[in-house]
Amino acid sequence: KQEVTQIPAALSVPEGENLVLNCSFTDSAIYNLQWFRQDPGKGLTSLLLIQSSQREQTSGRLNASLDKSSGRSTLYIAASQPGDSATYLCAVLNYGGATNKLIFGTGTLLAVQP
Amino acid sequence: EAGVTQSPTHLIKTRGQQATLRCSPISGHTSVYWYQQALGLGLQFLLWYDEGEERNRGNFPPRFSGRQFPNYSSELNVNALELEDSALYLCASRQGAREQYFGPGTRLTVT
Repeated sequence: KQEVTQIPAALSVPEGENLVLNCSFTDSAIYNLQWFRQDPGKGLTSLLLIQSSQREQTSGRLNASLDKSSGRSTLYIAASQPGDSATYLCAVLNYGGATNKLIFGTGTLLAVQP
Repeated sequence: EAGVTQSPTHLIKTRGQQATLRCSPISGHTSVYWYQQALGLGLQFLLWYDEGEERNRGNFPPRFSGRQFPNYSSELNVNALELEDSALYLCASRQGAREQYFGPGTRLTVT
């Protein structure tokens, strides 16, 4: 059974700092991994999608890496801003048509202090 | 291009009633997913519809059901509401093997 864990659960940093969020998963047979952002009481915004054959994806100040063999992904945020404050979720999609669902991590609550 | 839309934004029901939540996928997307985000429990997969058929369901009682219409929009029904059903219900759509795009959610409160 796939389990996804995110560390740390909460993180507070001063504006301008670079930071790394971690995501680990127990079953390496994944199809892809997505990083999402969720603002309080809102839906999810997709940040980055990494296919199982890829090692990393970049979008602006965000860079996500994937190491399938060790069951790990990281989300790197450069030059953090107060507007980056949100909960960040990673989710994996396992292989298999019958289990075509995202399995979410527990999330990291990020606060960027001005 | 319009994103995934959900209605209503908020829904307040009393215990024992039925709730109906609606989702319209992105144009061209045939798969719709429903997830529940209850306080303290994280995001849990509920249902997956594709081409009008239920393809998979999560570990939820039969009180949770739904359907997908010919235009690929979807409806989630929750019967005999319980207090623990209070949550944010998120809908997502997908086309083929691409990523899932999420709607803004429906906040269901059961009193």
